[in-house]
Amino acid sequence: DQQVKQNSPSLSVQEGRISILNCDYTNSMFDYFLWYKKYPAEGPTFLISISSIKDKNEDGRFTVFLNKSAKHLSLHIVPSQPGDSAVYFCAAKDFGNEKLTFGTGTRLTIIP
Amino acid sequence: EAGVAQSPRYKIIEKRQSVAFWCNPISGHATLYWYQQILGQGPKLLIQFQNNGVVDDSQLPKDRFSAERLKGVDSTLKIQPAKLEDSAVYLCASSISGNSETQYFGPGTRLLVL
Repeated sequence: DQQVKQNSPSLSVQEGRISILNCDYTNSMFDYFLWYKKYPAEGPTFLISISSIKDKNEDGRFTVFLNKSAKHLSLHIVPSQPGDSAVYFCAAKDFGNEKLTFGTGTRLTIIP
Repeated sequence: EAGVAQSPRYKIIEKRQSVAFWCNPISGHATLYWYQQILGQGPKLLIQFQNNGVVDDSQLPKDRFSAERLKGVDSTLKIQPAKLEDSAVYLCASSISGNSETQYFGPGTRLLVL
């Protein structure tokens, strides 16, 4: 059972434009959500997170939005830069459980 | 600060052979995780250690996989015997105290089972 879903395997965006990556989840016990970024031959790197008590968290060019009623979150990157080209994983955890459940990832390509 | 170290980076074996992976977490990190990432999928937690004790090994195929963290520092993950479906990247991560927001990942070991 895929509790965290990223339905777009890939996304191409022009440099300078906004990149929007989407993630859906099914487990209503999830209360904390994270985005990780992964370059080839490297391990995932933590990017940004959001607690279920919030609906938005911003860090520089990166903003994560959470819609609890729709069980949906999205990562916005603006403006997109060539160095943003990577695979992005959405992950979730529930209260009291340190285990992370990852989505399948979205490969973002920024076109110069 | 040194990151999470893993070795080897690549390994090719034949099915039914044994293989072992090594991980050295960031100094001072009490929690260590082993993940399996099959091509096209997200990382899946295999086992979580808090110091030298196992916190969660519910998704570890215990008939063939084993892991240990005897002194609460570095860790080894072993597969014996390997199957074709074990071909994957094995990622090690560590965190200060089980705070999942700050899991730091190593570069991974890419295993190919022929």
